[in-house]
Amino acid sequence: QKEVEQDPGPLSVPEGAIVSLNCTYSNSAFQYFMWYRQYSRKGPELLMYTYSSGNKEDGRFTAQVDKSSKYISLFIRDSQPSDSATYLCAMSDRNQGGKLIFGQGTELSVKP
Amino acid sequence: EPEVTQTPSHQVTQMGQEVILRCVPISNHLYFYWYRQILGQKVEFLVSFYNNEISEKSEIFDDQFSVERPDGSNFTLKIRSTKLEDSAMYFCASSGSLKVPYEQYFGPGTRLTVT
Repeated sequence: QKEVEQDPGPLSVPEGAIVSLNCTYSNSAFQYFMWYRQYSRKGPELLMYTYSSGNKEDGRFTAQVDKSSKYISLFIRDSQPSDSATYLCAMSDRNQGGKLIFGQGTELSVKP
Repeated sequence: EPEVTQTPSHQVTQMGQEVILRCVPISNHLYFYWYRQILGQKVEFLVSFYNNEISEKSEIFDDQFSVERPDGSNFTLKIRSTKLEDSAMYFCASSGSLKVPYEQYFGPGTRLTVT
């Protein structure tokens, strides 16, 4: 079983839709959960950072962590064409020197 | 807004040659990282560096790789004898406070092409 699994998509939605992106993981030691956005041939851009379980909201973005199910989500409300990118989940545990384990990334396209 | 910078943006080298990839992390950050991304694949961890020593390294980071913080601002990744399979995007990242040590900010990457 892969440590972090993420559906690569592609996912295509109309402008204004609510987008749900998800990752599952197998390592119960993970405590830090991140979502990055990556445009083609660019570096990952940190969107959200969550420690342990719970929800975190930042503008149109909401991150959720359910440690009991080993499942994390990123919701994007009122999606815009500028949100079109690849979204990467990443996670870490405190005993691994900051090593992030990334998902495959989900390619999102928001159509005007 | 502070950002991580990397040079060069694109490096072409011949197999067997040494390359040095350079990074300037965010100035008050304490933790430094290198990752790579082969085209179409996941971002993969290579190494983390804190307090002038390696904290963690992956199985990819073998004897051909080394990292250094030669001064107060730069962080470098050296590949001693490049192989074709080293062709990838290499990303430097840094993270800051001891409170949130793993909130990592990435640079734009160096595309390494080994011919």
